[in-house]
Amino acid sequence: AQSVTQLGSHVSVSEGALVLLRCNYSSSVPPYLFWYVQYPNQGLQLLLKYTTGATLVKGINGFEAEFKKSETSFHLTKPSAHMSDAAEYFCAVSGGTSYGKLTFGQGTILTVHP
Amino acid sequence: EPEVTQTPSHQVTQMGQEVILRCVPISNHLYFYWYRQILGQKVEFLVSFYNNEISEKSEIFDDQFSVERPDGSNFTLKIRSTKLEDSAMYFCASSDRGLGTEAFFGQGTRLTVV
Repeated sequence: AQSVTQLGSHVSVSEGALVLLRCNYSSSVPPYLFWYVQYPNQGLQLLLKYTTGATLVKGINGFEAEFKKSETSFHLTKPSAHMSDAAEYFCAVSGGTSYGKLTFGQGTILTVHP
Repeated sequence: EPEVTQTPSHQVTQMGQEVILRCVPISNHLYFYWYRQILGQKVEFLVSFYNNEISEKSEIFDDQFSVERPDGSNFTLKIRSTKLEDSAMYFCASSDRGLGTEAFFGQGTRLTVV
């Protein structure tokens, strides 16, 4: 079985500040890890993913995440927050079967203050 | 840009009624999924569908639920006799290669059971 824990249901930052959204996972098989973003009244959009290879992955809109197997973590960061980053962010894991089922964390709502 | 389309965006139904949620996945995709998100809770996997059959399903996906790909474009989720606890946002998703690849999500159908 796989699970994901996102620490902090709400994170608030100032515009220009570092964004750090935390994600820890549990998986009995090598995980595939994803971050999705959801803007109001829209579907989930992929920010970035880790499958194999380089553990630091870069995504859209200046976001990146680092896979740390020893810490079972996949935290999402962005050096400088922008007002347009305000959204809900979901970390997800898959693996174990070939069909791509995703197990999501509970989500983190990011608020960006001017 | 190709996208997953879901209809309707919002459906209100009476308890005990049957509902069908409709999705048009991206045309060259082979893997199809339904997820749901009860207000304030995690996005939960319901079912995956590949090669015209269910490939995985969760404990939530009981006999009240069924999926179908009636033609080459649509993918539907049917709930036979809705309960109050079925009220949620239902997301359809599709991917081209399953495990490790990006799942593209629709905007969701908000189902309200009264």
